[in-house]
Amino acid sequence: AQSVAQPEDQVNVAEGNPLTVKCTYSVSGNPYLFWYVQYPNRGLQFLLKYITGDNLVKGSYGFEAEFNKSQTSFHLKKPSALVSDSALYFCAVRDGDTGGFKTIFGAGTRLFVKA
Amino acid sequence: KAGVTQTPRYLIKTRGQQVTLSCSPISGHRSVSWYQQTPGQGLQFLFEYFSETQRNKGNFPGRFSGRQFSNSRSEMNVSTLELGDSALYLCASSLGRDSVFEQYFGPGTRLTVT
Repeated sequence: AQSVAQPEDQVNVAEGNPLTVKCTYSVSGNPYLFWYVQYPNRGLQFLLKYITGDNLVKGSYGFEAEFNKSQTSFHLKKPSALVSDSALYFCAVRDGDTGGFKTIFGAGTRLFVKA
Repeated sequence: KAGVTQTPRYLIKTRGQQVTLSCSPISGHRSVSWYQQTPGQGLQFLFEYFSETQRNKGNFPGRFSGRQFSNSRSEMNVSTLELGDSALYLCASSLGRDSVFEQYFGPGTRLTVT
């Protein structure tokens, strides 16, 4: 079965510093990996995805993620954090093995960016 | 293009009642999925619909049901509500069913069961 793990419940970073939110995955077959962000009282917003190709994927709001097959990781990164990046971040994998499709989400990592 | 809309945004029900939540996907999106979000369990998959057919179902009791209409709009129904059903229910749509497609989420319906 497919799964994703986000080992950190919370990440704290100062504004202007680089940020990393970690994600590891377990899949059988090709990994289809996603990052979503959730702001307070709102639904999830798509940030970026890895399907195939270049291991460094660029997404919305200056975020990028690095796919590492040997370490089964898909960490979210941003070179310079903003206070407005403070939110709940979810790593996800699409599972199509069961005949239907569903997205399996990690537990989420809360990012706090301090001014 | 308008995003995914969900109605109502907030709902308060008592135990034993039933509730129907509605979701309108982004125009042109034919796949609709539902998720339950709670602080303890995180985001859990409920169902996936495509072309008016339920294609996949998560590990929820039969009290949770849904359907999709010919215009891709979807509803989910929860009967005999329990306190543990209190949650944020999120609807998501995507352009297709393949795993390469990202999902676009609505703002959710916050259900409180008392």
